[in-house]
Amino acid sequence: GESVGLHLPTLSVQEGDNSIINCAYSNSASDYFIWYKQESGKGPQFIIDIRSNMDKRQGQRVTVLLNKTVKHLSLQIAATQPGDSAVYFCAENGSGGSNYKLTFGKGTLLTVNP
Amino acid sequence: GAGVSQSPSNKVTEKGKDVELRCDPISGHTALYWYRQSLGQGLEFLIYFQGNSAPDKSGLPSDRFSAERTGGSVSTLTIQRTQQEDSAVYLCASSFFQGTGELFFGEGSRLTVL
Repeated sequence: GESVGLHLPTLSVQEGDNSIINCAYSNSASDYFIWYKQESGKGPQFIIDIRSNMDKRQGQRVTVLLNKTVKHLSLQIAATQPGDSAVYFCAENGSGGSNYKLTFGKGTLLTVNP
Repeated sequence: GAGVSQSPSNKVTEKGKDVELRCDPISGHTALYWYRQSLGQGLEFLIYFQGNSAPDKSGLPSDRFSAERTGGSVSTLTIQRTQQEDSAVYLCASSFFQGTGELFFGEGSRLTVL
């Protein structure tokens, strides 16, 4: 079946560097994508979202890029800080087009070294 | 309250027992969601409420799982005759409406079935 997946399960960066977390999706019907951050022992926290009619969206220190041609999503974090250390999940809304029944990837663990 | 509150935070039970997990959403949020997160995995959709009704229960793994929501607020997820494979973190989230993927998650209830 179709699913959301990640290229890299772990990513280690130096404080101050930029981080890029990648996500591949296979459901071409998905039209809404979200990134969540989950710190240890906490629930996921919304970071940024993007709809399929866009290819880039920027937030505070974060940018999400969407390449529909190759079904690829990425999260860029500028000037990564120790507080950014967490598991990052991408999610998609799947074939139903709803915004509640999100399909989450397995996550990428980001470790920021001081 | 300020955020989504879940209880208990930890529950250890014996195989075959019933458990109830409670979720207090953010005041005013009409939509409520239950997800399950197994160790090292992404989030698995269980059920979604809009008000007190559950338009989509398709994620419930078996008929041992049920959920209700009363007064458009508190929700209870009940697992009957628990099995070891039910061990996971059960996450509740709420949102103002089913319009975005910006779900506000609680910290979860960690269930361990011995």
